[in-house]
Amino acid sequence: QSALTQPRSVSGSPGQSVTISCTGSRGDIGGYNYVSWYQQHPGKAPKLMIFDVSERPSGVPDRFSGSKSGNTASLTISGLQADDEADYYCCSYAGSYIMLFGGGTKLTVL
Amino acid sequence: QVRLVESGGGLVKPGGSLRLSCAASGFTFSDYYMTWIRQAPGKGLEWISYISSTVTTIYYADSVRGRFTISRDNAENSLYLQMNSLRAEDTAVYYCARGAQLRYVDSWGQGTLVTVSS
Repeated sequence: QSALTQPRSVSGSPGQSVTISCTGSRGDIGGYNYVSWYQQHPGKAPKLMIFDVSERPSGVPDRFSGSKSGNTASLTISGLQADDEADYYCCSYAGSYIMLFGGGTKLTVL
Repeated sequence: QVRLVESGGGLVKPGGSLRLSCAASGFTFSDYYMTWIRQAPGKGLEWISYISSTVTTIYYADSVRGRFTISRDNAENSLYLQMNSLRAEDTAVYYCARGAQLRYVDSWGQGTLVTVSS
């Protein structure tokens, strides 16, 4: 199983919106509604931001939203804030008890 | 409040062994899948193993199958990872994480660093 494909980096100015894509296949993203997204600040453990494609855990601002179309999932962050600068990872169930992560995307807030 | 605390990391020579532990608190440990996820220095996340709540299902990524063994003690609220035949490419921060079956992980420990080097 190959890792899911994410852009290496994205950037945006404070207040703007950015979208991070995560591309897989019919065997993972396209076949299951079990996509999750994690935020990781340098030196810290990852934090769950989105689960089951578009659900937000309690405490995660509604500026963070998730979606899926076909074999591609997306994380959109609106109203960018300085603290949103971090690495973001997508993850999907891929059948046969396998979970796949994306390679990660570095978000820079300009 | 969910708390996961890993321990047992350190420096080990290639071919050596190490046992990681994860102490869980703040939730009913026996109700949850648990996973180990690792991150090599400067690299992305790699899911390597999980164990179901009642130990009926265990799975390993290809990269560690046959060398690593996951286990748990529900009476002690603890998760373990026995790592044998360690290689340089196993160098990483190892995270213990709580899973919602295989849908996502919702809580992570702070990680423990394993360095495999001669």
